[in-house]
Amino acid sequence: EIVLTQSPATLSLSPGERATLSCRASQSVSSYLAWYQQKPGQAPRLLIYDASNRATGIPARFSGSGSGTDFTLTISSLEPEDFAVYYCQQRSNWPPGTFGQGTRLEIK
Amino acid sequence: QVQLQESGPGLVKPSETLSLTCTVSGGSVSSGSYYWSWIRQPPGKGLEWIGYIYYSGSTNYNPSLKSRVTISVDTSKNQFSLKLSSVTAADTAVYYCARDHGGITADWGQGTLVTVSS
Repeated sequence: EIVLTQSPATLSLSPGERATLSCRASQSVSSYLAWYQQKPGQAPRLLIYDASNRATGIPARFSGSGSGTDFTLTISSLEPEDFAVYYCQQRSNWPPGTFGQGTRLEIK
Repeated sequence: QVQLQESGPGLVKPSETLSLTCTVSGGSVSSGSYYWSWIRQPPGKGLEWIGYIYYSGSTNYNPSLKSRVTISVDTSKNQFSLKLSSVTAADTAVYYCARDHGGITADWGQGTLVTVSS
């Protein structure tokens, strides 16, 4: 099973700042990595699929990059509504679609 | 726009079987383009993929749960269902149904909390 490790566990930033979240896979997943945002009491929302493709309706401030084992989700300028938990998920070795443990993005 | 809605008991006793149904609207479970999945999230923890069913009836389950999980589909009602047997407190979680496109989960239900307790 492919293990995804996200870092940092918690990221404290202010609105307007740039956020960089990392996801590392235990073996290559090619470009088959997605990012999800989850707010309290809500289901996850797909942000990015296949490493760098924004899902429908996702603002341009969200971008994804990487391939192989190292991936990054970047939020260029944080809006108040961006503070949430972010998960990565691989589909290279799907099923199962393993998730990372999450990064909590909190207001500083 | 597809919508998914989970339903079922919010409380299940240990050793019994958890049963949930997902009702799909705005889309068809008979569509050959999608997989219909269940994903769960224990309180305060991360996401765990449980399994999926394809419109043909073929299924695939997380190896860690495979011996206890059954996912089925009812095309006449546009629903799919989850059964998880021999539950313990470790199965307490929010259970989500979702529509998957080859491992890309773009559409989720709102989730339903199932607590395992006597």
